[in-house]
Amino acid sequence: AQSVTQLDSHVSVSEGTPVLLRCNYSSSYSPSLFWYVQHPNKGLQLLLKYTSAATLVKGINGFEAEFKKSETSFHLTKPSAHMSDAAEYFCVVSDENYKLSFGAGTTVTVRA
Amino acid sequence: DAGVIQSPRHEVTEMGQEVTLRCKPISGHDYLFWYRQTMMRGLELLIYFNNNVPIDDSGMPEDRFSAKMPNASFSTLKIQPSEPRDSAVYFCASSPSTGQFSNQPQHFGDGTRLSIL
Repeated sequence: AQSVTQLDSHVSVSEGTPVLLRCNYSSSYSPSLFWYVQHPNKGLQLLLKYTSAATLVKGINGFEAEFKKSETSFHLTKPSAHMSDAAEYFCVVSDENYKLSFGAGTTVTVRA
Repeated sequence: DAGVIQSPRHEVTEMGQEVTLRCKPISGHDYLFWYRQTMMRGLELLIYFNNNVPIDDSGMPEDRFSAKMPNASFSTLKIQPSEPRDSAVYFCASSPSTGQFSNQPQHFGDGTRLSIL
C-alpha cells in the first residue's frame, strides 16, 4: 500500500520569497514520485518527477524537489515565488501497477 | 502537439438523465485513466485502460458508471442514471509505457465539470 501526506493545506508567501511545500510518502515499493500543479479550471500539469536517478530533481518554472529516503520526504521548493505560481499543488506517488495516489493538495497564495 | 482532449468542458443536466463524457488521449499513449475530483474526496481513480483493455475498475462507484475504449484514440465515461452526488470534475489522463512504466507521468486533460441538478 502507498500513501502521500501533504503537511500544509495552504501556504501563503510574498512575491520574490522562497516557497516550500512539504510532502511525506509511504510505499512498500521503490516509488516514483511526482509533483503536479493545478491552476483554476485546468487539468493537472506535471512539474517534476523522481524515478530513482538523481535525488535532487529540477522541474519546470524554477521548481525543484529533493527525495530523502531516510525521511520518506519529497519536498518541493522554489527560490523566488511569482504571482503566476498561485495554484494548487499535488504530491503524487505511483505504484508498480501504474496507479497514482494523490496527496490532498496544497493551495499556494502569492501576495504582491 | 495536442494534449489530452476532453468534451464537453461543462455539463449541466437533471438527475436521472444519461451523461456521456468523452476523451481523446495523446497519440501513441498506451494507458488511459479516468479520475473524479471533488472537494470532499480529492482526486480518485475510477478506471484505467491499457491498449484499450480495462485493467482496473475498482474505483468505479457503482453500476451506474461505465467506461469504454473502443479504439486507441477515444474513450467514454457514462453515467446512467445520473444523481446529484455525481457532480464533480472528471479528468481523463493518458500515459506512454516504456520499460519501467511506473516512471512515466500522466498527462491530464482540462476536465469536464459536471453538475447534476
